[in-house]
Amino acid sequence: AQSVAQPEDQVNVAEGNPLTVKCTYSVSGNPYLFWYVQYPNRGLQFLLKYITGDNLVKGSYGFEAEFNKSQTSFHLKKPSALVSDSALYFCAVRALYSSASKIIFGSGTRLSIRP
Amino acid sequence: ETGVTQTPRHLVMGMTNKKSLKCEQHLGHNAMYWYKQSAKKPLELMFVYSLEERVENNSVPSRFSPECPNSSHLFLHLHTLQPEDSALYLCASSQSDSYTDTQYFGPGTRLTVL
Repeated sequence: AQSVAQPEDQVNVAEGNPLTVKCTYSVSGNPYLFWYVQYPNRGLQFLLKYITGDNLVKGSYGFEAEFNKSQTSFHLKKPSALVSDSALYFCAVRALYSSASKIIFGSGTRLSIRP
Repeated sequence: ETGVTQTPRHLVMGMTNKKSLKCEQHLGHNAMYWYKQSAKKPLELMFVYSLEERVENNSVPSRFSPECPNSSHLFLHLHTLQPEDSALYLCASSQSDSYTDTQYFGPGTRLTVL
């Protein structure tokens, strides 16, 4: 079965410090992994995705994520957090050979950056 | 968020009402989606349309009825809803329904069923 887990409901970081939002997945076959961000009263905005190639993926707003096949993880990172990064972050996975529409979203992690 | 628009942004309806949610995408995409986002639950995929044909219906109750008249527009018709249907309904679109295509989301319609 295809699944994705975000083990932390909330992550608190001081402005200027590095941040990590964790995501692990379980699929049969090669995974396609996505990160989205949701600001209050808004829809989800695409940040980055891993399809193939370099394990380190760079995305919008200075975010990056590292695909780790052995640990089945795709953690979202940023070297220096901004207060404006405070939002809800979702990891999502699709797998080759599953239904093309079977994208599974994690439950979300609320990121709070304190000044 | 001008790529995918949704109207209305907020909707309050009684259980006996009939209403419709509208989604329009200006990205030239061929696939469109309806999602339900409830508090403390993962995002739930409801329906998928590809080239105006429904390709996915994730066991959604018949009180939700989607319509895709063309590749730019998607509707969700609502009737005899229940209070537990109160949620944020998100529309999304992608170039196709391929595994690797990114989905772009609208701002959502906040639905409250009294």
